[in-house]
Amino acid sequence: QMQLQESGPGLVKPSQTLSLTCTVSGGSINRGGYYWSWIRQHPGRGLEWLGYIYYSGSTYYNPSLKSRLTMSLDPSKNQFSLNLTSVTAADTAVYFCVRDRFGDGIDYWGPGTLVSVSS
Amino acid sequence: EIVMTQSPATLSVSPGERATLSCRASQSVGTNLAWYQHKPGQAPRLIIYGASTRATGIPARFSGSGSGTEFTLTISSLQSEDFVVYFCQQYDNWPPWTFGQGTKVEIK
Repeated sequence: QMQLQESGPGLVKPSQTLSLTCTVSGGSINRGGYYWSWIRQHPGRGLEWLGYIYYSGSTYYNPSLKSRLTMSLDPSKNQFSLNLTSVTAADTAVYFCVRDRFGDGIDYWGPGTLVSVSS
Repeated sequence: EIVMTQSPATLSVSPGERATLSCRASQSVGTNLAWYQHKPGQAPRLIIYGASTRATGIPARFSGSGSGTEFTLTISSLQSEDFVVYFCQQYDNWPPWTFGQGTKVEIK
């Protein structure tokens, strides 16, 4: 059974960079057919898709965040990561890492990690 | 971007009864729609994809229907573990994928 687990600071100061890592167990991220993605949920609001990284390293980001967002992967550790620069309070959210089948829904999710942006 | 609207926001149902949840898309998404179950503090779980196909391990009491802009998730006989939040997602028009706001199913 595949499992995903987010990790990173729970508190980030405004204007700094939010960095999260997703550790995948029970399967390799270094195979095609799946898109390793990040999704966030603002308090009391719906979900927002942030972007994906493919095993080849290709990425696609939500246009609304494209200028601030970078994703990377580390196959040796079976991890992928997210960096979001110049954060504000509007970036306070629960961040989920997921495996997206890109055509048949998202079949694995991490439990999510709350990141608060505050001084 | 496609806007997904779920209704109602909260659904009060007695255990053993049927629950019917709705999801509407602002434009057609064909059958490229998924439903997820989310228990607070846990990872969301895929329950339906392709608008009507149950994901692996999902009980038969869960069923999905619809196409185009109108979709329904039906839980035929609610069990105690079903009283959580459900949300829909379209994966027809990208970027980005978009999600509904969620429906909370609570015990009546």
